[in-house]
Amino acid sequence: EAAVTQSPRSKVAVTGGKVTLSCHQTNNHDYMYWYRQDTGHGLRLIHYSYVADSTEKGDIPDGYKASRPSQENFSLILELASLSQTAVYFCASSETGGNSDYTFGSGTRLLVI
Amino acid sequence: GDSVIQMQGQVTLSENDFLFINCTYSTTGYPTLFWYVQYSGEGPQLLLQVTTANNKGSSRGFEATYDKGTTSFHLQKTSVQEIDSAVYYCAMSGVNTGNYKYVFGAGTRLKVIA
Repeated sequence: EAAVTQSPRSKVAVTGGKVTLSCHQTNNHDYMYWYRQDTGHGLRLIHYSYVADSTEKGDIPDGYKASRPSQENFSLILELASLSQTAVYFCASSETGGNSDYTFGSGTRLLVI
Repeated sequence: GDSVIQMQGQVTLSENDFLFINCTYSTTGYPTLFWYVQYSGEGPQLLLQVTTANNKGSSRGFEATYDKGTTSFHLQKTSVQEIDSAVYYCAMSGVNTGNYKYVFGAGTRLKVIA
């Protein structure tokens, strides 16, 4: 079954430390996305990619980097984690961008202390 | 730019009550509209997609309609059950942003009491 798998499921990080969130999809989709979810804000787009070795900024990219080394894998990197980055992060994939439906992973709950 | 407004942050209903969630959108093109549902501990999943104004989509007892005249789209269910407790997101394809992404509403948390 096609899927989007995120790791880790949860993580506690220290302020100023580096955090890498990983995402792997078996959907053969070109588009991949990273969203963060906060109460009252819904889902906000951080970075996305439509082809391997290329990433694009979303609506809230500050403090985050992304990497797409292959079609299947997409990582989100917090070089210097901050308290404000405590949130739930979702990875998603889609076949053709905004007009197609998204397949989301189960999320990574990140707590920065 | 494109935007979606979902005003109802939380809705509490009893079983067999009628559910109605409304979103309004702003865009200059012809968007595709979506409803996603997120159960506790999971990622959002597609519930319904509506691509043509004034048409309806239906799934799992839910029905979605999209009114281009009032630039609004609705999700409704005649008789909710406790298992429908979840967060519901409306979303619109980004017509003016190259269709690369959605614009999401803020989400409506539905709690159904048995």
